[in-house]
Amino acid sequence: GAVVSQHPSRVICKSGTSVKIECRSLDFQATTMFWYRQFPKQSLMLMATSNEGSKATYEQGVEKDKFLINHASLTLSTLTVTSAHPEDSSFYICSARDTNYGYTFGSGTRLTVV
Amino acid sequence: QKEVEQDPGPLSVPEGAIVSLNCTYSNSAFQYFMWYRQYSRKGPELLMYTYSSGNKEDGRFTAQVDKSSKYISLFIRDSQPSDSATYLCAVVAGGFKTIFGAGTRLFVKA
Repeated sequence: GAVVSQHPSRVICKSGTSVKIECRSLDFQATTMFWYRQFPKQSLMLMATSNEGSKATYEQGVEKDKFLINHASLTLSTLTVTSAHPEDSSFYICSARDTNYGYTFGSGTRLTVV
Repeated sequence: QKEVEQDPGPLSVPEGAIVSLNCTYSNSAFQYFMWYRQYSRKGPELLMYTYSSGNKEDGRFTAQVDKSSKYISLFIRDSQPSDSATYLCAVVAGGFKTIFGAGTRLFVKA
């Protein structure tokens, strides 16, 4: 089946620094990938839709300059949290759409900003 | 009104029980319906996917969609402690945007 690899699984960074999270589709090409954020005991909230070779589409309320998304190839999308602050601490998950309209998710990245 | 409503639970059942998880949605234009299972600190994994009214079975899991009522259900037969997780319903809106329910936390007691 379709596999999406997400790295790192856990990262701790200092306030003011930037963190990059990678999302790779391992056995299929993903023209579209999605980035979600999940706070404890809450559901997934879509942050942005990443399209290969074009700019990402951000959901309302998501800061484009803070959450930089790059989808440079059909198998890789990256999310960079710039100038991270403690309130950015969360669980970030990517997903990619496969041809059956199912969405395969990465294992998630737990970001802690101290 | 949220586009997808799901009772967050928690729902606690004894091992072997039949579990019923439910969601309602507001937009009749939604065409694709999915159930995901998410273990703690992990990404969600797709359990069932359907796009028509009626039942779809896969092992111990049955997904049911009633488009006239805008109601989707997931049934788990012979529940096991390993089924303990958060179950999220999801619908696919236009542009392949997926909207998730809040997730129901399920605990199956041995």
